[in-house]
Amino acid sequence: DTAVSQTPKYLVTQMGNDKSIKCEQNLGHDTMYWYKQDSKKFLKIMFSYNNKELIINETVPNRFSPKSPDKAHLNLHINSLELGDSAVYFCASSQDRGPQHFGDGTRLSIL
Amino acid sequence: GQQLNQSPQSMFIQEGEDVSMNCTSSSIFNTWLWYKQDPGEGPVLLIALYKAGELTSNGRLTAQFGITRKDSFLNISASIPSDVGIYFCAGSPGNEKLTFGTGTRLTIIP
Repeated sequence: DTAVSQTPKYLVTQMGNDKSIKCEQNLGHDTMYWYKQDSKKFLKIMFSYNNKELIINETVPNRFSPKSPDKAHLNLHINSLELGDSAVYFCASSQDRGPQHFGDGTRLSIL
Repeated sequence: GQQLNQSPQSMFIQEGEDVSMNCTSSSIFNTWLWYKQDPGEGPVLLIALYKAGELTSNGRLTAQFGITRKDSFLNISASIPSDVGIYFCAGSPGNEKLTFGTGTRLTIIP
């Protein structure tokens, strides 16, 4: 009964490809997030959706496009992947402005 | 983007020792959170603080919300092997945006 689940756990692909990462939460939360963790373990927020509406959009290349089909799902699509996109991407959710709960991450490696 | 300064960056301790780490910010936060991340997993919430001066415990962990609202502290008493990991502080001004600290990597020397 995983609370925040992401797929895939590992993603290895070539530069220039387009890929998607999926996230689902079964906590009944109304807000979901995408974070990027770099090789130095620094966590930085990318996007946040509240009830399918975009509320946080940090300075992220427009090759990254989040999509929220409903409040339990937030997917991340990345076009034209670059070497610098290699990182661990975390999905998280919260109820309103409460504490955020994280998934186990998707490790993206660009060859 | 803003980063929270977290120290120390890493700690090497023996089992049974107490641990202290802290986090400072240049701006005021209304919420402070402490997370732990194990290898290959996502951050797990340890303690949430909502009021300046608040002191909250979770088992052997104790965290404090600084009076100035620009800092927070985490203490771990009588460390055990499963305490190994990376500890992150995170602060929020009161909206959904959470800013994370740079992390403290805790290693227990046998």
